[in-house]
Amino acid sequence: EDQVTQSPEALRLQEGESSSLNCSYTVSGLRGLFWYRQDPGKGPEFLFTLYSAGEEKEKERLKATLTKKESFLHITAPKPEDSATYLCAVRAGGTSYGKLTFGQGTILTVHP
Amino acid sequence: DAGVTQSPTHLIKTRGQQVTLRCSPKSGHDTVSWYQQALGQGPQFIFQYYEEEERQRGNFPDRFSGHQFPNYSSELNVNALLLGDSALYLCASNPGQGPLHLHFGNGTRLTVT
Repeated sequence: EDQVTQSPEALRLQEGESSSLNCSYTVSGLRGLFWYRQDPGKGPEFLFTLYSAGEEKEKERLKATLTKKESFLHITAPKPEDSATYLCAVRAGGTSYGKLTFGQGTILTVHP
Repeated sequence: DAGVTQSPTHLIKTRGQQVTLRCSPKSGHDTVSWYQQALGQGPQFIFQYYEEEERQRGNFPDRFSGHQFPNYSSELNVNALLLGDSALYLCASNPGQGPLHLHFGNGTRLTVT
């Protein structure tokens, strides 16, 4: 069964203090690893898709990387508006192709 | 360009009742998925619809059923509501061909008392 585990569960940073969020996964035939951002009372907002080990994607202060067992979301010089829950999800191949399996999320709080 | 829209935004029901949630996918998307998100948890896959058929289903009981209409919109029905069904219900859409990532609506917050 596909599994996704995110750590830490919560992370508190000072504005400008860089850090990383971890997503460990086990999946049969990875067809994509996804990062989403979710604000309170809202649906998840797509950030990145990574398909193969070694791949990296960047967007503003965020950078996502992928290995065969885990993904990292690096946050450089965060601002208070980066505060949100960050969700990681995987899509497997074969008969599980249609669904995403999510982790429980990391709640990020950035203090000014 | 309207994204995924869901209605209603909030709903309060009593145990044993039935509920119907509605979703309109993003323009150009023909595949709709439903997810349940309990408080403090990640979304869990309920099922996916494509060409008006349920294509894949997660580990949810038969009390959860759905439908997709010819215009690609979708409904999620839950019968015999339990307290544990209280959650945020998210609808997501994607084009059948193209990028694999899902576009989510803002969900329906269901409270069962």
